Amino acid sequence: GENVEQHPSTLSVQEGDSAVIKCTYSDSASNYFPWYKQELGKRPQLIIDIRSNVGEKKDQRIAVTLNKTAKHFSLHITETQPEDSAVYFCAASKNYGQNFVFGPGTRLSVLP
Amino acid sequence: NAGVTQTPKFQVLKTGQSMTLQCAQDMNHEYMSWYRQDPGMGLRLIHYSVGAGITDQGEVPNGYNVSRSTTEDFPLRLLSAAPSQTSVYFCASSYSAQNSPLHFGNGTRLTVT
Repeated sequence: GENVEQHPSTLSVQEGDSAVIKCTYSDSASNYFPWYKQELGKRPQLIIDIRSNVGEKKDQRIAVTLNKTAKHFSLHITETQPEDSAVYFCAASKNYGQNFVFGPGTRLSVLP
Repeated sequence: NAGVTQTPKFQVLKTGQSMTLQCAQDMNHEYMSWYRQDPGMGLRLIHYSVGAGITDQGEVPNGYNVSRSTTEDFPLRLLSAAPSQTSVYFCASSYSAQNSPLHFGNGTRLTVT
Protein backbone atom coordinates (compact mmCIF):
# COMPACT_ATOMS: atom_id res chain seq x y z
CA GLY A 1 0.00 0.00 0.00
CA GLU A 2 0.83 3.66 -0.06
CA ASN A 3 3.49 5.00 2.28
CA VAL A 4 4.04 8.72 2.86
CA GLU A 5 7.22 10.01 4.45
CA GLN A 6 7.58 13.58 5.69
CA HIS A 7 10.64 15.63 6.63
CA PRO A 8 11.67 17.28 8.80
CA SER A 9 9.75 16.18 11.87
CA THR A 10 10.42 19.53 13.55
CA LEU A 11 11.34 22.87 12.03
CA SER A 12 12.15 26.18 13.69
CA VAL A 13 12.44 29.38 11.67
CA GLN A 14 12.73 33.06 12.46
CA GLU A 15 9.70 35.20 11.77
CA GLY A 16 9.85 36.45 8.21
CA ASP A 17 11.95 33.55 6.94
CA SER A 18 10.69 30.80 4.65
CA ALA A 19 9.82 27.24 5.66
CA VAL A 20 9.87 24.16 3.45
CA ILE A 21 8.40 20.76 4.31
CA LYS A 22 8.95 17.79 2.02
CA CYS A 23 6.95 14.59 1.50
CA THR A 24 7.56 11.50 -0.58
CA TYR A 25 5.01 8.87 -1.57
CA SER A 26 5.43 5.33 -2.80
CA ASP A 27 2.36 4.59 -4.95
CA SER A 28 2.60 6.06 -8.43
CA ALA A 29 -1.21 5.77 -8.72
CA SER A 30 -1.69 8.52 -6.10
CA ASN A 31 -2.87 11.69 -7.78
CA TYR A 32 -4.20 14.07 -5.13
CA PHE A 33 -2.03 15.66 -2.46
CA PRO A 34 -3.55 17.91 0.22
CA TRP A 35 -1.77 19.66 3.07
CA TYR A 36 -3.39 20.12 6.48
CA LYS A 37 -2.51 22.45 9.33
CA GLN A 38 -3.30 21.42 12.88
CA GLU A 39 -3.03 23.88 15.72
CA LEU A 40 -2.62 22.57 19.25
CA GLY A 41 -5.79 20.84 20.41
CA LYS A 42 -7.63 21.59 17.18
CA ARG A 43 -8.71 19.59 14.17
CA PRO A 44 -6.66 19.36 10.96
CA GLN A 45 -7.72 21.95 8.42
CA LEU A 46 -6.97 21.98 4.72
CA ILE A 47 -4.60 24.78 3.69
CA ILE A 48 -3.74 23.86 0.11
CA ASP A 49 -3.94 20.91 -2.25
CA ILE A 50 -2.52 19.88 -5.60
CA ARG A 51 -3.61 17.44 -8.27
CA SER A 52 -1.26 15.29 -10.28
CA ASN A 53 -1.80 17.22 -13.51
CA VAL A 54 -0.40 20.39 -11.91
CA GLY A 55 3.23 21.06 -11.01
CA GLU A 56 2.78 24.03 -8.69
CA LYS A 57 0.01 25.90 -6.92
CA LYS A 58 0.15 29.10 -4.90
CA ASP A 59 -2.20 30.75 -2.43
CA GLN A 60 -0.79 33.98 -1.01
CA ARG A 61 2.18 32.99 1.21
CA ILE A 62 1.69 29.27 0.70
CA ALA A 63 2.74 27.18 -2.28
CA VAL A 64 2.94 23.50 -3.06
CA THR A 65 5.10 21.85 -5.72
CA LEU A 66 4.77 18.33 -7.08
CA ASN A 67 7.35 16.18 -8.86
CA LYS A 68 5.52 13.10 -10.12
CA THR A 69 8.62 11.48 -11.55
CA ALA A 70 10.44 11.60 -8.23
CA LYS A 71 7.19 11.04 -6.29
CA HIS A 72 7.66 13.94 -3.95
CA PHE A 73 5.81 17.13 -3.12
CA SER A 74 6.69 20.09 -0.93
CA LEU A 75 4.98 22.82 1.04
CA HIS A 76 6.56 26.28 0.95
CA ILE A 77 5.57 29.03 3.38
CA THR A 78 7.10 32.46 2.80
CA GLU A 79 7.28 35.41 5.19
CA THR A 80 6.42 33.19 8.13
CA GLN A 81 4.43 34.61 11.03
CA PRO A 82 3.96 33.34 14.60
CA GLU A 83 0.44 32.19 13.72
CA ASP A 84 1.97 29.75 11.21
CA SER A 85 3.25 27.74 14.18
CA ALA A 86 1.43 24.39 14.05
CA VAL A 87 1.80 20.79 12.96
CA TYR A 88 1.56 20.31 9.21
CA PHE A 89 0.51 17.03 7.60
CA CYS A 90 0.85 16.00 3.99
CA ALA A 91 -1.39 13.30 2.52
CA ALA A 92 -1.87 11.31 -0.67
CA SER A 93 -4.81 9.53 -2.24
CA LYS A 94 -5.66 7.71 -5.46
CA ASN A 95 -8.31 8.36 -8.06
CA TYR A 96 -11.78 8.25 -6.52
CA GLY A 97 -11.86 6.93 -2.96
CA GLN A 98 -10.86 9.37 -0.28
CA ASN A 99 -8.73 6.94 1.70
CA PHE A 100 -5.89 9.30 2.35
CA VAL A 101 -2.53 8.17 3.68
CA PHE A 102 -0.99 10.84 5.89
CA GLY A 103 2.60 11.65 6.63
CA PRO A 104 3.70 11.67 10.30
CA GLY A 105 3.64 15.47 10.52
CA THR A 106 6.05 18.39 10.89
CA ARG A 107 5.96 20.64 13.91
CA LEU A 108 6.75 24.16 12.72
CA SER A 109 7.75 26.81 15.22
CA VAL A 110 8.05 30.41 14.08
CA LEU A 111 10.22 32.34 16.50
CA PRO A 112 9.55 36.08 16.98
CA ASN B 1 -23.84 24.35 8.55
CA ALA B 2 -22.38 22.75 11.67
CA GLY B 3 -20.00 20.69 9.51
CA VAL B 4 -18.73 17.50 11.16
CA THR B 5 -19.82 17.07 14.78
CA GLN B 6 -18.18 14.57 17.11
CA THR B 7 -19.23 13.58 20.62
CA PRO B 8 -17.96 13.23 23.25
CA LYS B 9 -14.89 15.49 23.31
CA PHE B 10 -13.23 13.51 26.09
CA GLN B 11 -13.75 9.99 27.41
CA VAL B 12 -12.02 7.78 29.95
CA LEU B 13 -12.67 4.05 29.84
CA LYS B 14 -11.48 1.09 31.81
CA THR B 15 -9.98 -1.87 29.98
CA GLY B 16 -12.75 -4.10 28.67
CA GLN B 17 -15.48 -1.48 28.58
CA SER B 18 -17.29 -0.68 25.37
CA MET B 19 -18.47 2.64 24.00
CA THR B 20 -19.58 4.43 20.85
CA LEU B 21 -18.04 7.58 19.44
CA GLN B 22 -20.62 9.61 17.58
CA CYS B 23 -20.10 11.46 14.30
CA ALA B 24 -22.62 13.42 12.28
CA GLN B 25 -22.27 15.70 9.26
CA ASP B 26 -24.76 18.05 7.67
CA MET B 27 -22.99 18.67 4.36
CA ASN B 28 -24.62 15.75 2.51
CA HIS B 29 -21.22 14.13 2.06
CA GLU B 30 -21.27 10.59 0.72
CA TYR B 31 -17.89 9.63 2.14
CA MET B 32 -17.19 9.39 5.88
CA SER B 33 -14.21 8.00 7.73
CA TRP B 34 -12.59 7.53 11.10
CA TYR B 35 -8.91 8.22 11.82
CA ARG B 36 -6.86 7.85 14.93
CA GLN B 37 -4.00 10.19 15.70
CA ASP B 38 -1.04 9.08 17.76
CA PRO B 39 2.15 11.08 18.43
CA GLY B 40 4.66 10.78 15.61
CA MET B 41 2.38 8.59 13.49
CA GLY B 42 0.13 11.05 11.74
CA LEU B 43 -3.45 10.04 11.09
CA ARG B 44 -4.28 6.41 10.39
CA LEU B 45 -7.51 5.26 8.77
CA ILE B 46 -9.65 2.92 10.87
CA HIS B 47 -12.86 2.46 8.84
CA TYR B 48 -14.61 4.30 6.06
CA SER B 49 -17.92 4.43 4.23
CA VAL B 50 -18.73 5.56 0.69
CA GLY B 51 -22.46 5.74 1.36
CA ALA B 52 -25.34 4.56 3.54
CA GLY B 53 -25.20 0.81 4.07
CA ILE B 54 -21.59 0.50 2.85
CA THR B 55 -18.56 0.27 5.11
CA ASP B 56 -15.03 -1.03 4.73
CA GLN B 57 -11.83 -1.44 6.70
CA GLY B 58 -8.91 0.94 6.65
CA GLU B 59 -5.35 0.50 7.83
CA VAL B 60 -6.02 -0.20 11.54
CA PRO B 61 -9.55 -1.70 11.92
CA ASN B 62 -8.99 -4.27 14.68
CA GLY B 63 -11.03 -3.63 17.82
CA TYR B 64 -13.44 -1.23 16.11
CA ASN B 65 -16.83 -1.59 14.40
CA VAL B 66 -18.78 0.89 12.32
CA SER B 67 -22.17 1.13 10.66
CA ARG B 68 -23.73 3.64 8.27
CA SER B 69 -27.50 3.55 8.44
CA THR B 70 -27.96 7.14 7.25
CA THR B 71 -25.94 9.56 5.12
CA GLU B 72 -25.47 11.85 8.11
CA ASP B 73 -24.23 9.50 10.84
CA PHE B 74 -21.18 7.26 11.14
CA PRO B 75 -20.64 5.96 14.70
CA LEU B 76 -17.47 4.15 15.75
CA ARG B 77 -17.81 1.38 18.32
CA LEU B 78 -15.06 0.13 20.58
CA LEU B 79 -16.04 -3.42 21.49
CA SER B 80 -13.68 -4.08 24.40
CA ALA B 81 -11.39 -1.14 25.10
CA ALA B 82 -7.65 -1.72 25.45
CA PRO B 83 -4.90 0.70 26.55
CA SER B 84 -3.53 0.57 22.98
CA GLN B 85 -6.70 2.35 21.89
CA THR B 86 -5.78 5.44 23.87
CA SER B 87 -5.66 8.07 21.15
CA VAL B 88 -7.35 11.06 19.60
CA TYR B 89 -10.07 10.03 17.17
CA PHE B 90 -11.15 12.17 14.24
CA CYS B 91 -14.18 11.69 12.05
CA ALA B 92 -13.89 13.17 8.56
CA SER B 93 -16.18 13.46 5.56
CA SER B 94 -16.06 14.56 1.96
CA TYR B 95 -17.92 14.43 -1.31
CA SER B 96 -17.25 11.32 -3.34
CA ALA B 97 -16.32 13.44 -6.31
CA GLN B 98 -12.76 12.97 -7.47
CA ASN B 99 -10.14 14.62 -5.33
CA SER B 100 -12.39 16.17 -2.72
CA PRO B 101 -10.68 17.27 0.50
CA LEU B 102 -11.58 15.88 3.88
CA HIS B 103 -13.48 17.93 6.45
CA PHE B 104 -12.60 16.94 10.00
CA GLY B 105 -14.57 17.00 13.21
CA ASN B 106 -13.06 18.43 16.39
CA GLY B 107 -11.89 15.07 17.67
CA THR B 108 -12.48 12.83 20.68
CA ARG B 109 -9.66 12.29 23.14
CA LEU B 110 -9.98 8.76 24.52
CA THR B 111 -7.99 7.37 27.43
CA VAL B 112 -8.18 3.69 28.33
CA THR B 113 -6.81 2.77 31.75
